[in-house]
Amino acid sequence: QQQVKQSPQSLIVQKGGISIINCAYENTAFDYFPWYQQFPGKGPALLIAIRPDVSEKKEGRFTISFNKSAKQFSLHIMDSQPGDSATYFCAVSSSGTYKYIFGTGTRLKVLA
Amino acid sequence: NAGVTQTPKFRVLKTGQSMTLLCAQDMNHEYMYWYRQDPGMGLRLIHYSVGEGTTAKGEVPDGYNVSRLKKQNFLLGLESAAPSQTSVYFCASSYLLNTEAFFGQGTRLTVV
Repeated sequence: QQQVKQSPQSLIVQKGGISIINCAYENTAFDYFPWYQQFPGKGPALLIAIRPDVSEKKEGRFTISFNKSAKQFSLHIMDSQPGDSATYFCAVSSSGTYKYIFGTGTRLKVLA
Repeated sequence: NAGVTQTPKFRVLKTGQSMTLLCAQDMNHEYMYWYRQDPGMGLRLIHYSVGEGTTAKGEVPDGYNVSRLKKQNFLLGLESAAPSQTSVYFCASSYLLNTEAFFGQGTRLTVV
């Protein structure tokens, strides 16, 4: 049972364009929604995270949009740069469990 | 400032051999996790620990054992390695529930 569905699997964007990655979850008990960025040969690192009391969070060029009723959240990368080329994972967790559940990842390539 | 350190970084095992992966964190985190990462499957939780002396099973625990004798260390053991355990293994830790998880650099394990 896949508790988090992430799409697309891969994404190619021109430099300066907007990259959008989506995640959908099933369990309404989830209350923490982070996005992780992973470069080849490295471990994932937290990029940005949101909690369900807000619908949007922005940090620089990165924005999370959260739709509680639809049980969806998305990552928007504005003015995408070649240095953003990486794999992005959404994740969910809840206060009732001691673990994070990750999406299957999106491989982003930003063309120069 | 080391963060989360995994050893070894690479290892090749023959089927049936055993090995232990070591994870050490210097952030005084209570919670520690072992994940495996396989292409197209994201990160899947193997085992986790909510404090020194405690361990619990995650999504894919079969074939693995763990121990957390000291707060800063979390060991992952493979008693009899199988080709299906070929993967990249990541250790992570977090201070509180539902907060940032810090990942190590990963261990690439190949079982032949």
